[in-house]
Amino acid sequence: DAKTTQPPSMDCAEGRAANLPCNHSTISGNEYVYWYRQIHSQGPQYIIHGLKNNETNEMASLIITEDRKSSTLILPHATLRDTAVYYCIVRVAGGGNKLTFGTGTQLKVEL
Amino acid sequence: GAVVSQHPSWVICKSGTSVKIECRSLDFQATTMFWYRQFPKQSLMLMATSNEGSKATYEQGVEKDKFLINHASLTLSTLTVTSAHPEDSSFYICSATDGRYGYTFGSGTRLTVV
Repeated sequence: DAKTTQPPSMDCAEGRAANLPCNHSTISGNEYVYWYRQIHSQGPQYIIHGLKNNETNEMASLIITEDRKSSTLILPHATLRDTAVYYCIVRVAGGGNKLTFGTGTQLKVEL
Repeated sequence: GAVVSQHPSWVICKSGTSVKIECRSLDFQATTMFWYRQFPKQSLMLMATSNEGSKATYEQGVEKDKFLINHASLTLSTLTVTSAHPEDSSFYICSATDGRYGYTFGSGTRLTVV
């Protein structure tokens, strides 16, 4: 699976958009970009995933650059409960393939 | 949505004893389950992958005789930490997939060996 690079930490004011970047310059054509988050002392939670088109769901939006070498996770209106470590993972779709976590970005949402 | 139940949520055991952690998929059949370990302020480290009815595949450096994994049914996988020592104290997390959709994680088990 392709390696990803994320900033170690970011701060965001409550109510503002949180934009979390991820670089994956060695991504292959059949690899998807997945985002998970882990709130302290809990298991990771799925957020969103995409291949090349931008995606949106009730939690977030995923913007993937045209060359697919980077992406941005957008939390449109961050709340204190969004404080967590966010992981960007690149892997081939399909069940059974292991999910490898990098170091992620610690997002801190403040008042 | 898919739910994975992990028990216990925390356990304290004496050094030298064994501890079993259960991971159950409640509303789907988990053809593959994964076990992770997470030390404080670190990321999740994959320990092993288990497919129902097969022996688990362990990541490099993980002792298969110490961390026994059983995946006897499509809804249950267990991780047994044998002869636990203080250095085995960690946060253990399971994940399950039915092979079609994404991965659902358990809530984790905090193991403290004293």
